[in-house]
Amino acid sequence: DAKTTQPTSMDCAEGRAANLPCNHSTISGNEYVYWYRQIHSQGPQYIIHGLKNNETNEMASLIITEDRKSSTLILPHATLRDTAVYYCIVTRRPGGGADGLTFGKGTHLIIQP
Amino acid sequence: NAGVTQTPKFRVLKTGQSMTLLCAQDMNHEYMYWYRQDPGMGLRLIHYSVGEGTTAKGEVPDGYNVSRLKKQNFLLGLESAAPSQTSVYFCASRDIPNTEAFFGQGTRLTVV
Repeated sequence: DAKTTQPTSMDCAEGRAANLPCNHSTISGNEYVYWYRQIHSQGPQYIIHGLKNNETNEMASLIITEDRKSSTLILPHATLRDTAVYYCIVTRRPGGGADGLTFGKGTHLIIQP
Repeated sequence: NAGVTQTPKFRVLKTGQSMTLLCAQDMNHEYMYWYRQDPGMGLRLIHYSVGEGTTAKGEVPDGYNVSRLKKQNFLLGLESAAPSQTSVYFCASRDIPNTEAFFGQGTRLTVV
């Protein structure tokens, strides 16, 4: 699975859009991009995933560049409850395959009031 | 619908003691996982199971054993606890073909 690079931490003002970048320059054509988040040492929570097209759900939007070497997770109207560590994961196996996903250190997003 | 439930939520062990962590899911999921998370680190996979009666080693299996006698339960055992096993343990489950993993709330274990 391709490696990912994320900023260690980011700040965002409450009510603004939070844009979390992820670099995956070695991604191959059949690898998925997954995003999970972990709020204050709770269990991680699935947010969204995509392969080639941009995706949107009730929580967030995922924008994948045309060359697929990077992506951005967008939380459209960040609230204080969105303060969490956000993990970007790339895997060729849907859901990470039998042995699941590999979690790195992620980005600590802090929403400022 | 409880989802994934971990028992206990907190535990303090003395070095050399044994214990079992229980993970129960009520979603009829096939796959179950045990992870550990140390301060400032991501999650590391300890063991996993692809169905009742099956188990497999993950990234950091040493010092742990697991069993999946019933589909809804996945047990993680520490036979002789060591301070290096002080960590937060997370259980997760997911189904086929659903790709979303559901996590429990974690068990905070301290070995003194």
